[in-house]
Amino acid sequence: KQEVTQIPAALSVPEGENLVLNCSFTDSAIYNLQWFRQDPGKGLTSLLLIQSSQREQTSGRLNASLDKSSGRSTLYIAASQPGDSATYLCAVYSGGGADGLTFGKGTHLIIQP
Amino acid sequence: DAMVIQNPRYQVTQFGKPVTLSCSQTLNHNVMYWYQQKSSQAPKLLFHYYDKDFNNEADTPDNFQSRRPNTSFCFLDIRSPGLGDAAMYLCATSSLAGDGEQFFGPGTRLTVL
Repeated sequence: KQEVTQIPAALSVPEGENLVLNCSFTDSAIYNLQWFRQDPGKGLTSLLLIQSSQREQTSGRLNASLDKSSGRSTLYIAASQPGDSATYLCAVYSGGGADGLTFGKGTHLIIQP
Repeated sequence: DAMVIQNPRYQVTQFGKPVTLSCSQTLNHNVMYWYQQKSSQAPKLLFHYYDKDFNNEADTPDNFQSRRPNTSFCFLDIRSPGLGDAAMYLCATSSLAGDGEQFFGPGTRLTVL
């Protein structure tokens, strides 16, 4: 059974810092990996999708990498801003059909002004 | 804009009183999912539809049922809500003809009194 772990569970940094969020998964036979953002009491916003054949994806100040063989992904946030404060969730898609995502519990990120 | 819509955004029900949550999509995706997210926990897949084919996760309680009358709509029925069913319920869609990315609605926050 696939398990996803995110470290750290919480992180507080001053504005402007570059930071890295970590995600690991137990079964490397994945189809893709998604990073989501969740604001308090809200739904999920997709940030980046990495296919199993890709090594990284970039969107603005966000860069996600994938090392499928070691079961790891990182989300790099450059020049953090207070508006980046949210919970960041990593999820893997292991099925070849219509199976759902397996999520980590997330990293709760606070950017101090 | 194409999107996933959930209604209501907030639902309050009484212990044991049936409740129905609604999800609609304009993406014309053939797969729809329902996830349950309890406070500070990872979203957990309840079930999904591939077109009209229903797939129930093994550990989804019998108290939860779902209907998909057409491609655009999917409903989550909770027959006798208990206090432990209070959670955020997230609807998502994906296209098997696409890259596997899942698109989420804003969620319905269910409170059980």
